[in-house]
Amino acid sequence: GAVVSQHPSWVICKSGTSVKIECRSLDFQATTMFWYRQFPKQSLMLMATSNEGSKATYEQGVEKDKFLINHASLTLSTLTVTSAHPEDSSFYICSARGGQSGGNQPQHFGDGTRLSIL
Amino acid sequence: AQSVTQLGSHVSVSEGALVLLRCNYSSSVPPYLFWYVQYPNQGLQLLLKYTSAATLVKGINGFEAEFKKSETSFHLTKPSAHMSDAAEYFCAVTTGANSKLTFGKGITLSVRP
Repeated sequence: GAVVSQHPSWVICKSGTSVKIECRSLDFQATTMFWYRQFPKQSLMLMATSNEGSKATYEQGVEKDKFLINHASLTLSTLTVTSAHPEDSSFYICSARGGQSGGNQPQHFGDGTRLSIL
Repeated sequence: AQSVTQLGSHVSVSEGALVLLRCNYSSSVPPYLFWYVQYPNQGLQLLLKYTSAATLVKGINGFEAEFKKSETSFHLTKPSAHMSDAAEYFCAVTTGANSKLTFGKGITLSVRP
């Protein structure tokens, strides 16, 4: 149980294009989803938190117009990197948590998306 | 505020040896603690969690961790390392208040044949 599917797993695109990454909870309803960015050999950096049907809450320093997050249903959240540039190249990971808000529910992670901007 | 400290960046053990990965936390309220494992080019997989029940928590793949409030620690152990345990391990803390996970910087575990 508690499977999170993230797609695509790897994408290469030209500078200036927009890229959409999907995150789906397959066997549970995700009341909250999180988007992280991970640089090589580093820990995860939280970019934003989204609750179904609400606007995402972005962490300080994350451009909300650059990284568009939509959480339209209890099983799907998307991250769109708009007008991507080489500095946006990174490993992006989503996670999902079910149940009522509260720290004792673990986050379940997708397998990540390797984004490379040429 | 909450934080996690994972001392050192790399631990190397022989196959069959004890694995000990250290994690110390800081939290102004009772914490919830988690250990995650990450294999190359993959997301994070939950190994185990502490949520204020038993202080000794057993997880998957033979791992366990003990919550010690007096030491503000949540060290991860496994009696006998296997080659497949080689990965990156992250300790994380959260509270009921904000529910955001705060991760340690991670430790790379290598297992020697």
